[in-house]
Order: sequence, then C-alpha cells, then structure tokens
Amino acid sequence: DAGVIQSPRHEVTEMGQEVTLRCKPISGHDYLFWYRQTMMRGLELLIYFNNNVPIDDSGMPEDRFSAKMPNASFSTLKIQPSEPRDSAVYFCASSWSHSYEQYFGPGTRLTVT
Amino acid sequence: AQSVTQLGSHVSVSEGALVLLRCNYSSSVPPYLFWYVQYPNQGLQLLLKYTTGATLVKGINGFEAEFKKSETSFHLTKPSAHMSDAAEYFCAVRGSGGSYIPTFGRGTSLIVHP
Repeated sequence: DAGVIQSPRHEVTEMGQEVTLRCKPISGHDYLFWYRQTMMRGLELLIYFNNNVPIDDSGMPEDRFSAKMPNASFSTLKIQPSEPRDSAVYFCASSWSHSYEQYFGPGTRLTVT
Repeated sequence: AQSVTQLGSHVSVSEGALVLLRCNYSSSVPPYLFWYVQYPNQGLQLLLKYTTGATLVKGINGFEAEFKKSETSFHLTKPSAHMSDAAEYFCAVRGSGGSYIPTFGRGTSLIVHP
C-alpha cells in the first residue's frame, strides 16, 4: 500500500484565496483525521470521520474551515477565505477501528501571505 | 478524560549516549500508549505501542518504552543514540474504551551531537 497520500505537498497562496487540501487514506481504513501542526500550538486535531461521516469537528477553528469525505478513498479540507494565521502543516491520518495506531500522510505545508 | 505531558521540549545527547524521553499521562480508563517519531518534513510514524500484556515494549530502531501504571509514565529509551535518531518524538494516549481518539503530547525534539 502507498500509505496515506496528501496533495499538494506545498501550497503558497495569498490572503483571501480559497485553499483545498486533499487526502487519500489507506484502503480499508474506516477512520480519517485532519490535524494542523504549528510551532505555537503543536499538533491539533481539527476533525475526524468514521465511515465517511464527520464525528467531531470541534477542533475546526472557525467557519472558514470545512471538511468533506464524499467516499472512503477521498477527503478534502477547505479554507475559504484563507488568512496568514492559517499558515501551518496540515496532516491527514487514517486508522482501522480494529487496530490502535494512526497512519499519517506526509503533510501539506500551507503558507498564506 | 485523558492528557499527556512530555517533559522537556528539547533533549540533547551525544552520539552513543543513552536516550531518555519522558512521558506522563492521565486517563480515566486503562490506557493505550504510543510513541510516534517525526523526521523533518515528514508525517508522524509509529515507533511503538502499549495496549495490554507485557509492560516493556520494543519498537523500531532500537527504541523501547516501559508502561509504569503506578507512576503513570511511558518513558522512551534507547541505549545508544545515533545521528539518524535526531527527530521530533510524540507521546500519545487513548482510552481502551469509549473515545477512540488519541491525545498527543507537545513533542520533544531530540538533538544528537557527534
């Protein structure tokens, strides 16, 4: 298996623009997580899905952030409009309910200028 | 409720020296415990995990950790550091029942000097 795939790996955009981050989880995994990592706040859980259904989005910082999982092999995290404080590395991770560990993607480094 | 405390945001060792990264947790139910490693510009990857059974757990790259319930600790050790061990290390805890979602510590950056 190729592992969790994220795209793009790097994104540079201007304030006010829409940003879409993409994730393909490991086949057969039924949980998908979106995290944000910054120096100041560490690793933050934004939202997670179980069987494509959003379970907890309490970590989503504000309404500018939205996430979808239209099927078991694809998820998106969208920021609209983007702001400089959104600059961070965004990770997608997936897991299987009968296992215990998460598998992380390589991350998307987002820079908003 | 669950939480993780990693003592020391940075740990510096010489190559060949003992590595000790500290992790204390709190959990209202018997915990599952994890150590993940993050190399520069990469995602987190699992080093080792404790679920049940033997309290001394061996992981990849010569790392091991011991679950000590009385001390609510899960410290990570390696007898001899290698330059390639330089990375960020994260301890995580999740309950053995109920919430499936792990809580991560803030991470400890391991610096290895030649």
